[in-house]
Amino acid sequence: EADIYQTPRYLVIGTGKKITLECSQTMGHDKMYWYQQDPGMELHLIHYSYGVNSTEKGDLSSESTVSRIRTEHFPLTLESARPSHTSQYLCASSEGRLTYEQYFGPGTRLTVT
Amino acid sequence: AQSVTQLDSHVSVSEGTPVLLRCNYSSSYSPSLFWYVQHPNKGLQLLLKYTSAATLVKGINGFEAEFKKSETSFHLTKPSAHMSDAAEYFCVVSEIGTYKYIFGTGTRLKVLA
Repeated sequence: EADIYQTPRYLVIGTGKKITLECSQTMGHDKMYWYQQDPGMELHLIHYSYGVNSTEKGDLSSESTVSRIRTEHFPLTLESARPSHTSQYLCASSEGRLTYEQYFGPGTRLTVT
Repeated sequence: AQSVTQLDSHVSVSEGTPVLLRCNYSSSYSPSLFWYVQHPNKGLQLLLKYTSAATLVKGINGFEAEFKKSETSFHLTKPSAHMSDAAEYFCVVSEIGTYKYIFGTGTRLKVLA
């Protein structure tokens, strides 16, 4: 069982609200990732981090921001939620070597009304 | 550049019959390849991985995959499908030099009683 956690699991929020999706891992992994996934669709990388104070935008443009102040914590923030942000957000971590797999959290399903 | 192509978006099999989910990859280097499974409203779970050791890789729940360099394929198989195998399956290659992972578009497996 992977030790990577996401909260909340489900969130329904109104347009314009600021939200933060939490992701934590207890494995000491340097690399962490955020993916956006619409129902039944592929995963799109929106942010990743190589380590503390290192973050990069992913392949899919996103209005969200991330921070990496501690190794174990990689929160994602939306300053002003919009209905187009409705999606599932998956957090993952890995040891960083290319032969090592990613471990995924259970996801946060976000609905913006 | 590396890429992954999952050749079937949907596969249906009867319970007790073999499963074949197809994946082709493109890579200039010896790749690391992974298969993940995603059940509804859950995160992704690693089924198996290939990292240049044995070309026939055994994973969890009776799944296995064979790395064929000449065919640039990494197909996932299982001798006998179970109802609990119904899920979305993703083929993934790790990207050289960036610590990112490239996901296929997914194959939805349906198991008929």
